[in-house]
Amino acid sequence: QKEVEQNSGPLSVPEGAIASLNCTYSDRGSQSFFWYRQYSGKSPELIMFIYSNGDKEDGRFTAQLNKASQYVSLLIRDSQPSDSATYLCAVKREYGNKLVFGAGTILRVKS
Amino acid sequence: GAVVSQHPSRVICKSGTSVKIECRSLDFQATTMFWYRQFPKQSLMLMATSNEGSKATYEQGVEKDKFLINHASLTLSTLTVTSAHPEDSSFYICSARTGVNSNQPQHFGDGTRLSIL
Repeated sequence: QKEVEQNSGPLSVPEGAIASLNCTYSDRGSQSFFWYRQYSGKSPELIMFIYSNGDKEDGRFTAQLNKASQYVSLLIRDSQPSDSATYLCAVKREYGNKLVFGAGTILRVKS
Repeated sequence: GAVVSQHPSRVICKSGTSVKIECRSLDFQATTMFWYRQFPKQSLMLMATSNEGSKATYEQGVEKDKFLINHASLTLSTLTVTSAHPEDSSFYICSARTGVNSNQPQHFGDGTRLSIL
């Protein structure tokens, strides 16, 4: 079992729809959770981070965290073709200095 | 805020050349910097973690004599790929974060695409 798991996709949604990206993690003591967006040939860009159970909203993006079930999700409302990218889930373990990245989910928003 | 500048963006050079890549945090103090490598259509692979003023911690399988990391100040880290060979061709990306063992986000530079002929 990978430490951080994401469905590789591609996840295809029509323009204007809600895209739902999911991530599960194995280290129960993990403290902080991050979503990065990576366009093809570019470096990752921070989208959201969340530390506490529940929802955190920023514009069209909502991060959801459920520590009991060990999953974190990212919702993108009113999806746009420009949202088409690979979305990386990253988790910081309870102990340690580094982030553990999932392999990423490819999102395609079709106009 | 939280801007990380990486230079150069692209390098093309002959086999045997050493290549230095700079990573700068422009508007915050980067206590910890990370160096990643990414091959086409593959995941990010962490190469090493460096804390300012300390020796870098390398991931298993990464040759410390091949990939020299210096983190001499709170705003600058460098990665030198020594005697580069074609198999070292890859996309190298740095990231920076405030705090050691901190929960703060990592912010990435734009990456350096290295091509060794």
